[in-house]
Amino acid sequence: EDKVVQSPLSLVVHEGDTVTLNCSYEVTNFRSLLWYKQEKKAPTFLFMLTSSGIEKKSGRLSSILDKKELFSILNITATQTGDSAVYLCAVDLSGGTYKYIFGTGTRLKVLA
Amino acid sequence: DTEVTQTPKHLVMGMTNKKSLKCEQHMGHRAMYWYKQKAKKPPELMFVYSYEKLSINESVPSRFSPECPNSSLLNLHLHALQPEDSALYLCASSHPGDQPQHFGDGTRLSIL
Repeated sequence: EDKVVQSPLSLVVHEGDTVTLNCSYEVTNFRSLLWYKQEKKAPTFLFMLTSSGIEKKSGRLSSILDKKELFSILNITATQTGDSAVYLCAVDLSGGTYKYIFGTGTRLKVLA
Repeated sequence: DTEVTQTPKHLVMGMTNKKSLKCEQHMGHRAMYWYKQKAKKPPELMFVYSYEKLSINESVPSRFSPECPNSSLLNLHLHALQPEDSALYLCASSHPGDQPQHFGDGTRLSIL
């Protein structure tokens, strides 16, 4: 059975801290791994990773994929209260299904 | 605001009512998706349309009936729903292939 597991489930930090969110996966046909941020409504797209070892970066956020060990991390440096959200990891299965398997998410709360 | 527009934002209906959820995108995406999201859970895929044809039905009960009238529109017709169907219903769209899905803000559905 295809599975995506995120850790930790929740995290409380103070502004300025650096956080690392983890996502591991076991799927039959991997195409890519995606990170989304969900506040109250729509999940918003952060990164899509297809190649191992290549870091994607956007401002204070960065992410990397390890296809050998089947995991990805999302780093947020110098956290701000606006980073408080649920961070979802999803794996896109190949084979033309357009199907995502989502992890349970990591709930991040950043305190002022 | 997202580029995927869902209406209505909120819907309360009785178990005998018939209603429809609407989703619209003008990004030229040819794949569209319906997800169901319960509180503190990740989105669960319900249906996938690719080039206006239903390509995935994740064993969804027949009281949910999707429709894709054209490449920009996706509807979800609801009939005789149960209280456990109360959830956030998210629509997403993407270019078929190796591209991220973009989500709407969702319709929060409550079944009385």
